[in-house]
Amino acid sequence: DAGITQSPRHKVTETGTPVTLRCHQTENHRYMYWYRQDPGHGLRLIHYSYGVKDTDKGEVSDGYSVSRSKTEDFLLTLESATSSQTSVYFCAISEGGEAFFGQGTRLTVV
Amino acid sequence: QKEVEQDPGPLSVPEGAIVSLNCTYSNSAFQYFMWYRQYSRKGPELLMYTYSSGNKEDGRFTAQVDKSSKYISLFIRDSQPSDSATYLCAMTSPLQGAQKLVFGQGTRLTINP
Repeated sequence: DAGITQSPRHKVTETGTPVTLRCHQTENHRYMYWYRQDPGHGLRLIHYSYGVKDTDKGEVSDGYSVSRSKTEDFLLTLESATSSQTSVYFCAISEGGEAFFGQGTRLTVV
Repeated sequence: QKEVEQDPGPLSVPEGAIVSLNCTYSNSAFQYFMWYRQYSRKGPELLMYTYSSGNKEDGRFTAQVDKSSKYISLFIRDSQPSDSATYLCAMTSPLQGAQKLVFGQGTRLTINP
């Protein structure tokens, strides 16, 4: 299995609070992605990174920010969590070809 | 129109049947083509990966790409109950120094013993 660790695996938080999800890789892959998966929508790209401090927005980036200060870590922050951000969040890594996924973080905003 | 279209199913077949899963796409820039299997409450697991038109075989699985028709398929032979999962197609294209990774909606497959 590709060395990808997401933390936490489960989180319940209150509306309006900030939340940070972490993706850690041991593969030294250049590209890292954050997706959310919701019923009826499949996997939707939130943000991606193509190098340290190089990030860009995906199709559903509103309300989310990211940071990548080291090759191995990609952080996703919900600046002020809303109920619409209740979802399963997946991190993926790639060197330009095939991509590998973490096990996901199940986030519930109440 | 979505860049990648995949029939969400659900698809239910008897054990031992040949399964055919398909995706169509509209972006000619897509370079790499992948199939993922996702079990309930798990992350997507890479099943097949190819970058050229034609067939690629791995055990009971065959991935087929037809770039001229913008069509990819995954065939599962001698299907087993353990193959029951959601199958997602994915494709990549260059995007501003990165690789844009786009997914189909996923097809839920059930293999009945």
